[in-house]
Amino acid sequence: GAVVSQHPSRVICKSGTSVKIECRSLDFQATTMFWYRQFPKQSLMLMATSNEGSKATYEQGVEKDKFLINHASLTLSTLTVTSAHPEDSSFYICSARSGEVYYGYTFGSGTRLTVV
Amino acid sequence: GENVEQHPSTLSVQEGDSAVIKCTYSDSASNYFPWYKQELGKRPQLIIDIRSNVGEKKDQRIAVTLNKTAKHFSLHITETQPEDSAVYFCAASMGSYIPTFGRGTSLIVHP
Repeated sequence: GAVVSQHPSRVICKSGTSVKIECRSLDFQATTMFWYRQFPKQSLMLMATSNEGSKATYEQGVEKDKFLINHASLTLSTLTVTSAHPEDSSFYICSARSGEVYYGYTFGSGTRLTVV
Repeated sequence: GENVEQHPSTLSVQEGDSAVIKCTYSDSASNYFPWYKQELGKRPQLIIDIRSNVGEKKDQRIAVTLNKTAKHFSLHITETQPEDSAVYFCAASMGSYIPTFGRGTSLIVHP
């Protein structure tokens, strides 16, 4: 089945630094990928839609300059958390739709970001 | 846009009992309803889904029912086992549009 790989799985960074998270579709091409943020014991909050070859579409309230998204190829999208602060600590998950309309969305394994 | 409500937020059952999680949606145009299981610290995984042209779907101990008129759908797990303990999310979408997720239900199955 469709596989989405996400790296790193865990990252600890200092406040003020930037962190890049990668999301790759391993056996299919994904023109569109999605980035979610999940707080403990809460649901998945869509942050942005990543479109290959064009600008990402951000959800209301998500800072574009803070969460930079690049989708340079059909198999790779990256999320960069710039100038990270402790409140950015969270679980970030990407997903991609693989193929047919009703095939469902496959999720990456998630990245636990801790900003100290 | 679509709004998905999910209840209960927490469900505690004894091993062997049945568990039912209910969701309602607001957009009558939604026609695809997946359910995801997420274990602690892991990715959500699709466990079952249903399209609007059917009312019920079963896969071993898991079943999903859909009432389009009332705009609600439910997940039924029979003969629960400790490994069923996880957070379950319902979702609703229209065709290929990205799904809207419910808030999740934490299912705890006591041995």
